[in-house]
Amino acid sequence: DTAVSQTPKYLVTQMGNDKSIKCEQNLGHDTMYWYKQDSKKFLKIMFSYNNKELIINETVPNRFSPKSPDKAHLNLHINSLELGDSAVYFCASSHSDRGTAGIQYFGAGTRLSVL
Amino acid sequence: GENVEQHPSTLSVQEGDSAVIKCTYSDSASNYFPWYKQELGKRPQLIIDIRSNVGEKKDQRIAVTLNKTAKHFSLHITETQPEDSAVYFCAASNRGSTLGRLYFGRGTQLTVWP
Repeated sequence: DTAVSQTPKYLVTQMGNDKSIKCEQNLGHDTMYWYKQDSKKFLKIMFSYNNKELIINETVPNRFSPKSPDKAHLNLHINSLELGDSAVYFCASSHSDRGTAGIQYFGAGTRLSVL
Repeated sequence: GENVEQHPSTLSVQEGDSAVIKCTYSDSASNYFPWYKQELGKRPQLIIDIRSNVGEKKDQRIAVTLNKTAKHFSLHITETQPEDSAVYFCAASNRGSTLGRLYFGRGTQLTVWP
């Protein structure tokens, strides 16, 4: 069983479209993250949720909207896609214990190409 | 906030040689330092981590050292093999703050030549 799973694995779309990426974890973790990895491989955090509550919201255009319906799911919706949004998006999860977070486990990534 | 610098950005070694990747951090409150390995087209995966109450940790061919005073930590890989080729990321975190947000270095592309 895949611990952190993302769908879709690949996403090719036109500029201006709206798309969503879904993430699910079956590790029983309570904290989930979205990262963007650009062509230079830099891992940049975008958002983090703990128990469905937003706790990290980096300087990300408001075209990006995360949603966490429950602890096991964190989705990312992107409006009005731009060329610069092309990247690999990674979901990750971890377990927080008495206010401290544990190891982060990453999903396989979603490669988004905006044409 | 925390700033993590990682060097070198690329590293090429011959199979069997050692590889060392170095990172510095800025926030003295950081107390957790994981290293992730990302093979081409794959997800980042934790390979070793160290907490601030420990100076060194070893796991087979991989070791990490931490110098809290100088605010730097390093990854050492001995007897490198071609399958060690990957991008390696260091990270720093204050595990009691913002639920353990990781601040990543920019990565080191390690290539091991047979």
